[in-house]
Amino acid sequence: AQSVAQPEDQVNVAEGNPLTVKCTYSVSGNPYLFWYVQYPNRGLQFLLKYITGDNLVKGSYGFEAEFNKSQTSFHLKKPSALVSDSALYFCAVRKENNRLAFGKGNQVVVIP
Amino acid sequence: SQTIHQWPATLVQPVGSPLSLECTVEGTSNPNLYWYRQAAGRGLQLLFYSVGIGQISSEVPQNLSASRPQDRQFILSSKKLLLSDSGFYLCAWSPNYYEQYFGPGTRLTVT
Repeated sequence: AQSVAQPEDQVNVAEGNPLTVKCTYSVSGNPYLFWYVQYPNRGLQFLLKYITGDNLVKGSYGFEAEFNKSQTSFHLKKPSALVSDSALYFCAVRKENNRLAFGKGNQVVVIP
Repeated sequence: SQTIHQWPATLVQPVGSPLSLECTVEGTSNPNLYWYRQAAGRGLQLLFYSVGIGQISSEVPQNLSASRPQDRQFILSSKKLLLSDSGFYLCAWSPNYYEQYFGPGTRLTVT
């Protein structure tokens, strides 16, 4: 079954430092992968997706993600974190039935 | 551009009362529509999925139901709420079978 794992519950990073949020996937066939961000009491916002093509995918708000087939990973990255990036981040994969399977979420805390 | 609306934004209901949450999408036609529930522990649970008017797929057995009376309207209902129905309810739409776009959510507290 298609699934994703987000191994860390929380990521703390100092403002201005690089931010990485980890995601690994398990799929049969080609993976379709997504990242979302959720601010408190708000809906999820779509950041970026990998369907095919370049392994480095650029998304909204300066975020990018690197697809690594050999490591079955799709880590979200930002070169310089902002305090406003503090939020909950979800990785997701499209399942065989065209639904999305979400990870448990990663709380990111950017420290001023 | 497309917009998704949910209402109400917050709701406090007693156990045993009925529920009706509404979701509408503007600026697109024939979207796939989804209802999710997010419990306090942050995980997302898919409740219902619709590919067209009157076509509803249920992901988990529960005392909730969904309907799609119009192309861009998706309603989540219950005849009798349980305490365990409390949570953050999110509606989402998709133009295809890839990314989904979420509404602002409804915070439901069952007392």
